[in-house]
Amino acid sequence: DAGVIQSPRHEVTEMGQEVTLRCKPISGHDYLFWYRQTMMRGLELLIYFNNNVPIDDSGMPEDRFSAKMPNASFSTLKIQPSEPRDSAVYFCASSPRQGNGYTFGSGTRLTVV
Amino acid sequence: GQQLNQSPQSMFIQEGEDVSMNCTSSSIFNTWLWYKQDPGEGPVLLIALYKAGELTSNGRLTAQFGITRKDSFLNISASIPSDVGIYFCAGMNYGGSQGNLIFGKGTKLSVKP
Repeated sequence: DAGVIQSPRHEVTEMGQEVTLRCKPISGHDYLFWYRQTMMRGLELLIYFNNNVPIDDSGMPEDRFSAKMPNASFSTLKIQPSEPRDSAVYFCASSPRQGNGYTFGSGTRLTVV
Repeated sequence: GQQLNQSPQSMFIQEGEDVSMNCTSSSIFNTWLWYKQDPGEGPVLLIALYKAGELTSNGRLTAQFGITRKDSFLNISASIPSDVGIYFCAGMNYGGSQGNLIFGKGTKLSVKP
């Protein structure tokens, strides 16, 4: 299995631009998670899906952030408009069921200038 | 919300030494996980613990699920240079609408050859 695949690996964008991060979970995993990692706050859960349905989005910082999972093999995290404080590493992770450890992707390093 | 306190924040040790780190929580968990993160990569699962009192090993790594269900520790024996990285503990309570991991802030391990 190729693992959780995220793209792009790096993204540099100007403030105000729209940013879309992509994730392909491991086939057969019913749960998909989006995390954000910063030095100050560590790993924070933004949102998670079960069978393509958003279950908990309480970690999404603002309305500028949105996430979708149109099918079992693809999810996007969108930031519109982006701000410098959104600069972080964004991770996608998937899990086959509740209670199992998650498999993380390699992350997308976002820099908003 | 639930918080995990992970200590120490960083460690500088000599190759061959044993390492010990721990995590405490303000509330109980029914799963404890330990991850390692290398630079530029996502966290990788090392050990998963599912029962209070459980002691599990993975090579030179040993982790325990505390009896109170509010703590866990990770030991690394005879450290080697490739042990360098950031180690995260994570706790989870699952069931119902819950099922996401809460992460500690990490322990950064440096090993001097």
